[in-house]
Amino acid sequence: QSVVTQPPSASEAPGRSVTISCSGSSSNIGRNAVDWYQQLPGTAPNLLIYNSNERPSGVPDRFSGSKSGTSASLAISGLQPEDEADYYCATWDDSLNGWVFGGGTKLTVL
Amino acid sequence: QVQLVESGGGVVQPGRSLRLSCAASGFTFRSYGMHWVRQVPGKGLEWVAVISNDGSNTHYGNSVKGRFTISRDNFKNTLSLQMTSLRPEDTAVYYCAKDGGWSGYDFKDVWGQGTMVTVSS
Repeated sequence: QSVVTQPPSASEAPGRSVTISCSGSSSNIGRNAVDWYQQLPGTAPNLLIYNSNERPSGVPDRFSGSKSGTSASLAISGLQPEDEADYYCATWDDSLNGWVFGGGTKLTVL
Repeated sequence: QVQLVESGGGVVQPGRSLRLSCAASGFTFRSYGMHWVRQVPGKGLEWVAVISNDGSNTHYGNSVKGRFTISRDNFKNTLSLQMTSLRPEDTAVYYCAKDGGWSGYDFKDVWGQGTMVTVSS
């Protein structure tokens, strides 16, 4: 059981928008930035969002991140079939003195 | 291009040791923190360990603390993970990942392809 919680699954139709949540506490998300990773089937994770709301070069602006209090969110607009993947949030935890990942959210693009 | 290539995985008996390596290229290795992250097939990501750019600072996940040691050779551009007292629950794909900064407290912006470790008798 991770100290950072994500819904296990999400689904939406192509072209629509979806938001994936990441819930933590004052020792992790409440104090530190959140990163988001996309993992396509059979591949290594890939950085999608860093510092809670910044996109690395090459990541489409359909992907956006936000953080408020002890929660963070990843929003994906204009869903495409290739967005079907597992999405993970990650942050530093000051109490554990280490990094924590959310349990992951499997996104299905119907 | 920036690349990380893990090696050293395999099948090992419980209680034995194994050493993983990660060869880095395409960036100034000595300037960045580095991580090990693992994933049981079909399950989520679990952070294992991090080391700062100069090796002076390390942190470990609770499940591996006292058994695993992360280290680096900035002359050979290589990251290592020495795993001892291995348990069946250590079975996973092990990824090395580059940190976005020198300390290991930033994001993980480059990942290797992973190496599989199976702990079984």
